Amino acid sequence: DTAVSQTPKYLVTQMGNDKSIKCEQNLGHDTMYWYKQDSKKFLKIMFSYNNKELIINETVPNRFSPKSPDKAHLNLHINSLELGDSAVYFCASSPIGQGLSYEQYFGPGTRLTVT
Amino acid sequence: DQQVKQNSPSLSVQEGRISILNCDYTNSMFDYFLWYKKYPAEGPTFLISISSIKDKNEDGRFTVFLNKSAKHLSLHIVPSQPGDSAVYFCAASSQGGSEKLVFGKGMKLTVNP
Repeated sequence: DTAVSQTPKYLVTQMGNDKSIKCEQNLGHDTMYWYKQDSKKFLKIMFSYNNKELIINETVPNRFSPKSPDKAHLNLHINSLELGDSAVYFCASSPIGQGLSYEQYFGPGTRLTVT
Repeated sequence: DQQVKQNSPSLSVQEGRISILNCDYTNSMFDYFLWYKKYPAEGPTFLISISSIKDKNEDGRFTVFLNKSAKHLSLHIVPSQPGDSAVYFCAASSQGGSEKLVFGKGMKLTVNP
């Protein structure tokens, strides 16, 4: 039983297309995140949601729009894909704010390739 | 502007020996630090953490040391095992861990049988 799952695992698409990545966690956590790992291997936070409310929005182009239909899901929609969007995208969740530990639990990642 | 730095890209050790992974940070507001392990094609997995009120935290073969004055932390793995071969990320946050995690670039550890 996967704690944090992402679909798809691989995504190859052309420039200009719109695509979505889905994330689900079954840990009962209130907080979810999207991270981007670029070609230089840095993991950088993009967004964070707590109980469906956006709490962190880093300097990310507005072509990226997260959506949280409920606290167990955080999807990432990307419009007008560009070559520079090619990266591995990780979803994570955390019990932050629930009086528990602050560790974040990551999904397996989605490798996005824009051609 | 890298706030969390892992200056060594890789480390190779023999099975059974100690592995020491280092991490430096620049932001004095960081007060919670974590280590993650990552295998290829998988997401990072939480390993161990330490709050700035401590200088050492131990969990089995893994020990993290924090030197606040030097803004330096290290992860010790004793004894190292081939299954420990992975990329290790150091991460930091502020406000007791409630703020976002800032990750280092990662370091690849290879444990040779």
